[in-house]
Amino acid sequence: GNSVTQMEGPVTLSEEAFLTINCTYTATGYPSLFWYVQYPGEGLQLLLKATKADDKGSNKGFEATYRKETTSFHLEKGSVQVSDSAVYFCALSDRYNNNDMRFGAGTRLTVKP
Amino acid sequence: GAVVSQHPSRVICKSGTSVKIECRSLDFQATTMFWYRQFPKQSLMLMATSNEGSKATYEQGVEKDKFLINHASLTLSTLTVTSAHPEDSSFYICSARGAFNQPQHFGDGTRLSIL
Repeated sequence: GNSVTQMEGPVTLSEEAFLTINCTYTATGYPSLFWYVQYPGEGLQLLLKATKADDKGSNKGFEATYRKETTSFHLEKGSVQVSDSAVYFCALSDRYNNNDMRFGAGTRLTVKP
Repeated sequence: GAVVSQHPSRVICKSGTSVKIECRSLDFQATTMFWYRQFPKQSLMLMATSNEGSKATYEQGVEKDKFLINHASLTLSTLTVTSAHPEDSSFYICSARGAFNQPQHFGDGTRLSIL
């Protein structure tokens, strides 16, 4: 079945550091890939998405490229801020599987000033 | 962007009480709504998927009679936790999707605490 494997956390960085959170997936079809962010006590917010191979999703300085050859969708940001502290979830949605969404385990990021 | 409203945000009640959680799509028609449960520091666990006007499809291991889901309109789904007990305490999150190939949009979650 479809699944998402995400880099285990927690991740602690200093402000302005470079961020990478690894995400790889397994899917039988042609999934769309997503990154969601969850701030403390809140639901999930869509951060970015990519719907086909080589697409790059970007938002708020974050970006991720859909790599079919490595089945990856790593999240990157060049310079993190304290306000980026949150839990990040990688997810996939497969149109051949009712578009049900599968989430990774989540990676908690803490950015220190 | 698409907005999903979930209410209430927090519930504290006694064991044996039934609790209803509402999930509304405010600016789009939600053909499908999803209910998740999240344990502390863990990922989301899909409980059930509901399509407007149809019975919900529950994931394996989720009790249908315990977690009643109603999706009577294109903008509202409800989850009722019947005769709640302390082990039902958790963070419940709903999401809604419009067209089949669109992403899910999430509510802010409901923290349920059963004493």
